[in-house]
Amino acid sequence: AQTVTQSQPEMSVQEAETVTLSCTYDTSESDYYLFWYKQPPSRQMILVIRQEAYKQQNATENRFSVNFQKAAKSFSLKISDSQLGDAAMYFCAYRSGIQGAQKLVFGQGTRLTINP
Amino acid sequence: GAVVSQHPSRVICKSGTSVKIECRSLDFQATTMFWYRQFPKQSLMLMATSNEGSKATYEQGVEKDKFLINHASLTLSTLTVTSAHPEDSSFYICSAGRYANREKLFFGSGTQLSVL
Repeated sequence: AQTVTQSQPEMSVQEAETVTLSCTYDTSESDYYLFWYKQPPSRQMILVIRQEAYKQQNATENRFSVNFQKAAKSFSLKISDSQLGDAAMYFCAYRSGIQGAQKLVFGQGTRLTINP
Repeated sequence: GAVVSQHPSRVICKSGTSVKIECRSLDFQATTMFWYRQFPKQSLMLMATSNEGSKATYEQGVEKDKFLINHASLTLSTLTVTSAHPEDSSFYICSAGRYANREKLFFGSGTQLSVL
């Protein structure tokens, strides 16, 4: 079974600075997807960024980018120019690339605090 | 973007009663929906996969007779917590995907269940 590990329960960063959240995963599959989700106090799950395993290029969405190291099974999230609105729980998630397999496996989460 | 509506957002019930939570895909047809459970300050744990027109697939350790799932149409899945007890108090979240495999998943806003 696939597992996702986030080793940082909490992180904090000064506003406007850059922070990196770590995620590692374990799988024997070659085709899969990786995600970062944000869960603010409202608890609505918000997709931050997505990476297809077959793509070598790291995904980028505005201030959010990932460092995808397939061989190392590492998928870190970098948030640049941190804003107060970025404060939330961040979950790394894995999804198999097998046809019809849509369920997500989540990591334990990292609580990100932004200091003004 | 696609919207998944989940109701109610919050429910308080007495021990021994049953509670039904609805998850609707508002602007797309979802052949598969997922039900997650989240305890305070913890990650999302998949409870079951709801398949339209067939029986749900439950994760190991989840009591199917306790958590009844019905996916009677392509836009509606329901989770019924039967004979609820205080230990069932949790945050329940549904998610749905538009297409198998490649499409991203959309999350409902969650239901906070409190059993007295």
